Amino acid sequence: QKEVEQNSGPLSVPEGAIASLNCTYSDRVSQSFFWYRQYSGKSPELIMSIYSNGDKEDGRFTAQLNKASQYVSLLIRDSQPSDSATYLCAVNWSGGSNYKLTFGKGTLLTVNP
Amino acid sequence: DGGITQSPKYLFRKEGQNVTLSCEQNLNHDAMYWYRQDPGQGLRLIYYSQIVNDFQKGDIAEGYSVSREKKESFPLTVTSAQKNPTAFYLCASSTPSKGEGQPQHFGDGTRLSIL
Repeated sequence: QKEVEQNSGPLSVPEGAIASLNCTYSDRVSQSFFWYRQYSGKSPELIMSIYSNGDKEDGRFTAQLNKASQYVSLLIRDSQPSDSATYLCAVNWSGGSNYKLTFGKGTLLTVNP
Repeated sequence: DGGITQSPKYLFRKEGQNVTLSCEQNLNHDAMYWYRQDPGQGLRLIYYSQIVNDFQKGDIAEGYSVSREKKESFPLTVTSAQKNPTAFYLCASSTPSKGEGQPQHFGDGTRLSIL
């Protein structure tokens, strides 16, 4: 059973700090990784995609992928109260259907003013 | 604007009743998906469809049924066999690629409760 693991949190950071969210996955042949943000009572919203080892930056968000260690992380710089949400990690497994994603249970982030 | 429309936003089911959740997309995506989310839990895949007139069971298909008669539409029926239907139901779609997996984009969801 392929799994995606996230610390459920809550992760609490002060406004302006860097929030670091981590995700590990169980299968080395995974190929595509996504971070979604989900506000309470709302649907998930895609914020980052990453496909190769290294860092990918988009505004205040940086995704980091290390396939050898089987983890992907999301850094949020200059955290704002509006970043308070649950962050879901999703993984696509190569070798099977490239349509399917497996989601972690999410990490709840709280940014305190 | 392109997007995924789910309706209704809230739905109540009586004992022994089947209910159908609607999902329509105008993104021209081939693949569509249904997920269930329970409080504090991640997303669990119910059914998915890669092409019209074809669909596959996900991890928790028992008590649910789907159809895919049109590319734009992927309705989900929650049958009376699903004994614990109270959850947040999310429809998603994606476009295929030859190499990398593609992200899925979500509708606003339907909250289903038992009366």
